[in-house]
Amino acid sequence: EDQVTQSPEALRLQEGESSSLNCSYTVSGLRGLFWYRQDPGKGPEFLFTLYSAGEEKEKERLKATLTKKESFLHITAPKPEDSATYLCAVQAPNSGGYQKVTFGIGTKLQVIP
Amino acid sequence: ETGVTQSPTHLIKTRGQQVTLRCSSQSGHNTVSWYQQALGQGPQFIFQYYREEENGRGNFPPRFSGLQFPNYSSELNVNALELDDSALYLCASSFSGGAGYGYTFGSGTRLTVV
Repeated sequence: EDQVTQSPEALRLQEGESSSLNCSYTVSGLRGLFWYRQDPGKGPEFLFTLYSAGEEKEKERLKATLTKKESFLHITAPKPEDSATYLCAVQAPNSGGYQKVTFGIGTKLQVIP
Repeated sequence: ETGVTQSPTHLIKTRGQQVTLRCSSQSGHNTVSWYQQALGQGPQFIFQYYREEENGRGNFPPRFSGLQFPNYSSELNVNALELDDSALYLCASSFSGGAGYGYTFGSGTRLTVV
């Protein structure tokens, strides 16, 4: 069964203090790894898709990287508005013939001014 | 582009009752997936519909059922509600199940079962 483990579960940073969130995964036949941002009471908002080891994607202060076993979401000089829960998900083919997406529990990031 | 709209936003039901949640997909998307997200947890896959047929299902009992309509809107029905069904229910639309481009999620329906 596909598994996604995110760490830490919660992270508190001072504004401007860079850090990384980790997503380790076990999946057979990875089709894609995704990062989403979720604000309280809202649905997840798509950030990145990574397809193969060595791939990197950037958006503003966020940079996502992928290896064969894990992905990192690097946050450079975060601002209070970056506070949210960051979800990692993997997509893999399922015996039923569809592409199943499995989410991790998320990392709750709080950036303090 | 209107995004994904879910209704209602909040709902309180009594154990044993039935509930229907609704979702309007983003324009151009033909696939809809439903997820259950308990407080402090990640979204759990319930099922996926493509061209009005269920083509994938997670570990949820048959009392969770759904429909997709020709205009790609969708419903999630839950019978015989249990207290553990209390959660945020998320609808996500995509094109041909291609989550590689990222699902577009609605804001969810917060269901409370008492």
